[in-house]
Amino acid sequence: AQSVTQPDIHITVSEGASLELRCNYSYGATPYLFWYVQSPGQGLQLLLKYFSGDTLVQGIKGFEAEFKRSQSSFNLRKPSVHWSDAAEYFCAEGYSTLTFGKGTMLLVSP
Amino acid sequence: EPEVTQTPSHQVTQMGQEVILRCVPISNHLYFYWYRQILGQKVEFLVSFYNNEISEKSEIFDDQFSVERPDGSNFTLKIRSTKLEDSAMYFCASLSGGVSYEQYFGPGTRLTVT
Repeated sequence: AQSVTQPDIHITVSEGASLELRCNYSYGATPYLFWYVQSPGQGLQLLLKYFSGDTLVQGIKGFEAEFKRSQSSFNLRKPSVHWSDAAEYFCAEGYSTLTFGKGTMLLVSP
Repeated sequence: EPEVTQTPSHQVTQMGQEVILRCVPISNHLYFYWYRQILGQKVEFLVSFYNNEISEKSEIFDDQFSVERPDGSNFTLKIRSTKLEDSAMYFCASLSGGVSYEQYFGPGTRLTVT
């Protein structure tokens, strides 16, 4: 069965600092990978996705993610975090139905 | 920008009661989904729906759950006899069926079973 692991439950980053959220997937073939963000009381908003091609994908709000097959990883990055980025971030995998990780809560300190 | 809508935003019900959660997917989308998120846990797939029938369902989606697309626009999730453990946020999502494979999620319905 597919599984997605997000090893960090909480991460605190200073505003303006860089960010990397980790995600590992289990499915061996070419995965369809996604990062979603959920602000408190809100639904899930897609940040970016990877299906094939360039392994560095750009998303909305200045986020990017890099697919590394050798490490089965799809880590999310942002060079400079803003206070409004504080939210929960979910990595997901799937062709049709999505399998989600448990999420990483990002806290941004002043 | 088109969006998925869900009603109500919050539903409180007593154990054993039936609830219907409603979703209006994006109009030209073909695939529809329900997911749930128990407080503090990850988002879990419940069921997918295509061409007026269930295409896939998880172990969670037992006989107390049903889905329907009654009128070509709404997509509903019915829980026949709610249990305390059904308390969760329920998300509807839709997918166009083209090459994007991007599921658009609604804002969710928080179901509280007392």
